[in-house]
Amino acid sequence: AQSVTQLGSHVSVSEGALVLLRCNYSSSVPPYLFWYVQYPNQGLQLLLKYTTGATLVKGINGFEAEFKKSETSFHLTKPSAHMSDAAEYFCAVSVETSYDKVIFGPGTSLSVIP
Amino acid sequence: SAVISQKPSRDICQRGTSLTIQCQVDSQVTMMFWYRQQPGQSLTLIATANQGSEATYESGFVIDKFPISRPNLTFSTLTVSNMSPEDSSIYLCSVSGGTGEETQYFGPGTRLLVL
Repeated sequence: AQSVTQLGSHVSVSEGALVLLRCNYSSSVPPYLFWYVQYPNQGLQLLLKYTTGATLVKGINGFEAEFKKSETSFHLTKPSAHMSDAAEYFCAVSVETSYDKVIFGPGTSLSVIP
Repeated sequence: SAVISQKPSRDICQRGTSLTIQCQVDSQVTMMFWYRQQPGQSLTLIATANQGSEATYESGFVIDKFPISRPNLTFSTLTVSNMSPEDSSIYLCSVSGGTGEETQYFGPGTRLLVL
């Protein structure tokens, strides 16, 4: 069965610093991969997704992620953190089709220090 | 992307009662899902709501506790039955298939507190 792990339940970065949120997945077949963001007291918003094709995926708000099959990873990065990036970030995987149910990782809470 | 609304947005309920949560989408969608997010936790899939057939429940969730309806392609309800404090969570509806993109979109969630 597929699963998702996120290293670091809480990450703190300084404003302007690189953001790196780690995600590793377990899947026996090529996965569809997603990053969602949840701002305080709000629902989930899709940041970016990988389905097929280019392994470097660009999303909203300056975020990007790279699918590395050999490492079974899909880490999320942003070159320069902004205060508004403080939120909970969830990595997720869907195996059969991208319409199928999505399995979420435990989440990483990002804090941005002024 | 689909616009999803949920009602109520939040509620405080007494132990032993039931609450029905509504999920409305602004366009027809193939798949609708219900998730639970317990305090400080990630999202856990409760069930897939299929139009015209019974919902498909994940391990650990049963129809008697979480009955689901899907009367058409734009609407679904989730009932949390015989509630206990352990049911205090955020309940989220998501949709996919038919929005023109291969993506799940989430509603704003319903915040439930059971006393």
